[in-house]
Amino acid sequence: DQQVKQNSPSLSVQEGRISILNCDYTNSMFDYFLWYKKYPAEGPTFLISISSIKDKNEDGRFTVFLNKSAKHLSLHIVPSQPGDSAVYFCAANSLSSGTYKYIFGTGTRLKVLA
Amino acid sequence: DADVTQTPRNRITKTGKRIMLECSQTKGHDRMYWYRQDPGLGLRLIYYSFDVKDINKGEISDGYSVSRQAQAKFSLSLESAIPNQTALYFCATSDFPTGGDTQYFGPGTRLTVL
Repeated sequence: DQQVKQNSPSLSVQEGRISILNCDYTNSMFDYFLWYKKYPAEGPTFLISISSIKDKNEDGRFTVFLNKSAKHLSLHIVPSQPGDSAVYFCAANSLSSGTYKYIFGTGTRLKVLA
Repeated sequence: DADVTQTPRNRITKTGKRIMLECSQTKGHDRMYWYRQDPGLGLRLIYYSFDVKDINKGEISDGYSVSRQAQAKFSLSLESAIPNQTALYFCATSDFPTGGDTQYFGPGTRLTVL
């Protein structure tokens, strides 16, 4: 049973436009969420996080939105740049439960077209 | 210089062989982790360590063992490798609570078991 789902394996966006990557989760105990970006032959790198006490967190061109009632989060990249082309993973954890276990989604491959 | 390094970067071995993957970090973090990534799947946690004397099993620990030799070193061993352990292996560190438990990943080790 996959607790964190990224239903779109790939996404293509024109340079300068908005990229929206989606992530759904099933465990209502999750209270901390992160997005990672991964380039080929490299490890994932942290991009942005959000706690369940917030519904939005912004860092430059990257904004993460959290809808707790829908158990859904999304990453917006505006404007998209060719260097954003990578695989994006969302991850979730329940810090309040005291049990450490980050659950990762399967990833979405973003391609930004010049 | 990379903060989290993994050796080897690539390894091909045969069924039944003992394999050790090594991870070193210069970030000064107490927490270290081992993940594996398989095609079409997200990262899955194998083992994690919150300090030198604390080792915990993750989601898929069967067939693996670990050793935390020092704060900076965390090794993953496959005692008797089997083909379904062919995967991309990542080591990560985090600095909880100062860093909000954001994880920093190494570049990965691609392991092939024939």
